[in-house]
Amino acid sequence: EAGVTQFPSHSVIEKGQTVTLRCDPISGHDNLYWYRRVMGKEIKFLLHFVKESKQDESGMPNNRFLAERTGGTYSTLKVQPAELEDSGVYFCASSQGGEAFFGQGTRLTVV
Amino acid sequence: GENVEQHPSTLSVQEGDSAVIKCTYSDSASNYFPWYKQELGKRPQLIIDIRSNVGEKKDQRIAVTLNKTAKHFSLHITETQPEDSAVYFCAASDGTASKLTFGTGTRLQVTL
Repeated sequence: EAGVTQFPSHSVIEKGQTVTLRCDPISGHDNLYWYRRVMGKEIKFLLHFVKESKQDESGMPNNRFLAERTGGTYSTLKVQPAELEDSGVYFCASSQGGEAFFGQGTRLTVV
Repeated sequence: GENVEQHPSTLSVQEGDSAVIKCTYSDSASNYFPWYKQELGKRPQLIIDIRSNVGEKKDQRIAVTLNKTAKHFSLHITETQPEDSAVYFCAASDGTASKLTFGTGTRLQVTL
């Protein structure tokens, strides 16, 4: 069974630019989550999709972040415009009501 | 909202010794407590979890204990091996499909 896949694995962009992260969950998983870990701190929740609907977006830091999950399959997280404090590792996870399976993360560096 | 604190931030033990990592949570509605292990450059992986109707759970060398009254839970690793070296995260949730609130992680180093 394929796991949760994230693209790209690394991204370095300049402040003010736009970046789009992609997550492919495990096939059949209705729940898809985005998390972020900033420099040695805790892994923080960003938002939760159930199929194509946003169940909980309470962790989204501001309106520069836009997440979509069209068709209830893969998801994208766009940061526009990126700021220095957006640097960190962005994790995606999926579940079908049980264990949450994580992707390897996208390391985003904003310079 | 939920707040999870995790200690220690780093832990160094000799191979064969035991390691204990402790977490506290704030929200009494939390009822699901997973532990994730993240090896260098790899994805976080669930190693054990416990639900609030259980006080202790064991899986080979790994055990987790939960004290609902005190709102704390701990991970115990016995007979540590070099491959146990990783960052360990505790988390809390009010349901298995709900968001996870993580602790800040513990970097465990098992030395020979």
